[in-house]
Amino acid sequence: AQSVAQPEDQVNVAEGNPLTVKCTYSVSGNPYLFWYVQYPNRGLQFLLKYITGDNLVKGSYGFEAEFNKSQTSFHLKKPSALVSDSALYFCAGTFMDSSYKLIFGSGTRLLVRP
Amino acid sequence: GAGVSQTPSNKVTEKGKYVELRCDPISGHTALYWYRQSLGQGPEFLIYFQGTGAADDSGLPNDRFFAVRPEGSVSTLKIQRTERGDSAVYLCASSFRGTSTDTQYFGPGTRLTVL
Repeated sequence: AQSVAQPEDQVNVAEGNPLTVKCTYSVSGNPYLFWYVQYPNRGLQFLLKYITGDNLVKGSYGFEAEFNKSQTSFHLKKPSALVSDSALYFCAGTFMDSSYKLIFGSGTRLLVRP
Repeated sequence: GAGVSQTPSNKVTEKGKYVELRCDPISGHTALYWYRQSLGQGPEFLIYFQGTGAADDSGLPNDRFFAVRPEGSVSTLKIQRTERGDSAVYLCASSFRGTSTDTQYFGPGTRLTVL
């Protein structure tokens, strides 16, 4: 069965430092992978997605993610974290036989301290 | 342009009551989805509409849950005989075509509390 995992419940980083939020997936075939961010009492906001082509995907607010097929990973990164990046981040994927259904990881809370 | 909107933002009801949750998708989006997010978890798929028809309702937990989209735009999620375990945030999303590469855009959600 297809699945998406986010191994860290929380990531702490100092403002100005680089951040990484990890995501791995398990699927047979090619996945399409997405990152969303959720602020308190707000819906999910789309950050970026990987469909095909260049493994490094750039998205909103300076975020980027790297698709690594051999490691089945799609980690979210940002070179310099801001306090305002503190939020809940979800990795999700659609897979060939579940097509339109987004399968989500459990989320990672990012805390950027001043 | 306007994003996905959902009403009400919060709904408190008593066990056994009937509730309706409304979703207004982005104009021109043919695909509409409902997800449920329980505390501390990622959203889980409930149902997918392509136009007016429910193309996949495999995520609905039981027959107390039902959703409609009669004119291919606004959708209503209906829950009968609510139970405390139904308490969650119900998220609606829409996308342009409903393919696996489409970006799904989410509304702010309806927080349902069943007392």
